[in-house]
Amino acid sequence: SQQGEEDPQALSIQEGENATMNCSYKTSINNLQWYRQNSGRGLVHLILIRSNEREKHSGRLRVTLDTSKKSSSLLITASRAADTASYFCATDRVGQAGTALIFGKGTTLSVSS
Amino acid sequence: SQTIHQWPATLVQPVGSPLSLECTVEGTSNPNLYWYRQAAGRGLQLLFYSVGIGQISSEVPQNLSASRPQDRQFILSSKKLLLSDSGFYLCAWSETGNSPLHFGNGTRLTVT
Repeated sequence: SQQGEEDPQALSIQEGENATMNCSYKTSINNLQWYRQNSGRGLVHLILIRSNEREKHSGRLRVTLDTSKKSSSLLITASRAADTASYFCATDRVGQAGTALIFGKGTTLSVSS
Repeated sequence: SQTIHQWPATLVQPVGSPLSLECTVEGTSNPNLYWYRQAAGRGLQLLFYSVGIGQISSEVPQNLSASRPQDRQFILSSKKLLLSDSGFYLCAWSETGNSPLHFGNGTRLTVT
């Protein structure tokens, strides 16, 4: 079952603009992670934010987490054509056999020069 | 450093044929291992995960199965493929259940 849902499904911007993607989830979490996927490739981990953190930065990436609203956002500042990819949020789900990450459907970002 | 190998990169199989996809991890011990499937334009669906040898948790029983014969080897299998099994299969590993995942390059499976 899907835990996180990204919004919007698709986003088209110009180089230099900021891109904001949102993620909502349903159950309590220990952490939330964001990943990037270039077309036809595996996913690459971008950033992890723990449930007791509200904001985290990594280079041009800024992630916020609001556990009261069960939502997170990923902001990419000063976007570049190379940022064109799909972006996914993932939340941990604890099961009887261990913990696994559940992914949303992703946001497809297109940055044009 | 750790690396993950997944093969083959692409596969075209007829309906009813068997399937075996292999994934191996190097440079770490006792990793958590995962199989995900991604349909065209969709998100990732968790299929199986394993926290140790012989320990497999199934999320989507259907006609797929997974095995972990060695600590760093994870195999996805099917005895008879269905058209609906087509998709992009991704293997991943992590140090713990809450750690970042490291993905392989995926296998594009087309069932005809």
